[in-house]
Amino acid sequence: GAGVSQSPSNKVTEKGKDVELRCDPISGHTALYWYRQSLGQGLEFLIYFQGNSAPDKSGLPSDRFSAERTGGSVSTLTIQRTQQEDSAVYLCASSLSPLAGLDTQYFGPGTRLTVL
Amino acid sequence: AQSVTQPDIHITVSEGASLELRCNYSYGATPYLFWYVQSPGQGLQLLLKYFSGDTLVQGIKGFEAEFKRSQSSFNLRKPSVHWSDAAEYFCAVSGGSYIPTFGRGTSLIVHP
Repeated sequence: GAGVSQSPSNKVTEKGKDVELRCDPISGHTALYWYRQSLGQGLEFLIYFQGNSAPDKSGLPSDRFSAERTGGSVSTLTIQRTQQEDSAVYLCASSLSPLAGLDTQYFGPGTRLTVL
Repeated sequence: AQSVTQPDIHITVSEGASLELRCNYSYGATPYLFWYVQSPGQGLQLLLKYFSGDTLVQGIKGFEAEFKRSQSSFNLRKPSVHWSDAAEYFCAVSGGSYIPTFGRGTSLIVHP
């Protein structure tokens, strides 16, 4: 498929455990975003990668959250010591243009994280 | 700073009726505006976008939106709603930042 893929689609974990969420962007897309979507809320920006530039981490809610992007392609969002308030759908998006605010974002189906 | 308000959390319409979803934005210069749709269990899909030029923008699936600078609005419309249009709709604004700000979304319910 040519779209953005995310894995796992669902993740249930216990409070205090670490989780890793994966995103495979569309091939050739230089920009990659992570968002969090909580029930009844809009999309909360988490982190943005653009090519080889330093990522914009301004949306990460705490130092328990981190993300990396290897080889300019696959990205992993890691949440350490998960808390119940981390329960949400985590969406990944990619776009082609370096002027990402002007470009269409292509979203993956999301990972639904449930912290018990 | 940029912001988006979608005043309606839920909208219910009958199939075949017309639809208008409201979006108000705040940004000091000319904004870049988007509407996305999220079907159940799916990611977001772009319906249409406005950058400049004609203030009436046509999108996919028969949707259109009109940019009104004087009202800071970018409302989404469709003349005749289909049951398959039931979904969550998000308005987004991007100004000087390259990271769009999304509204909280409007859930569209379509009655047969």
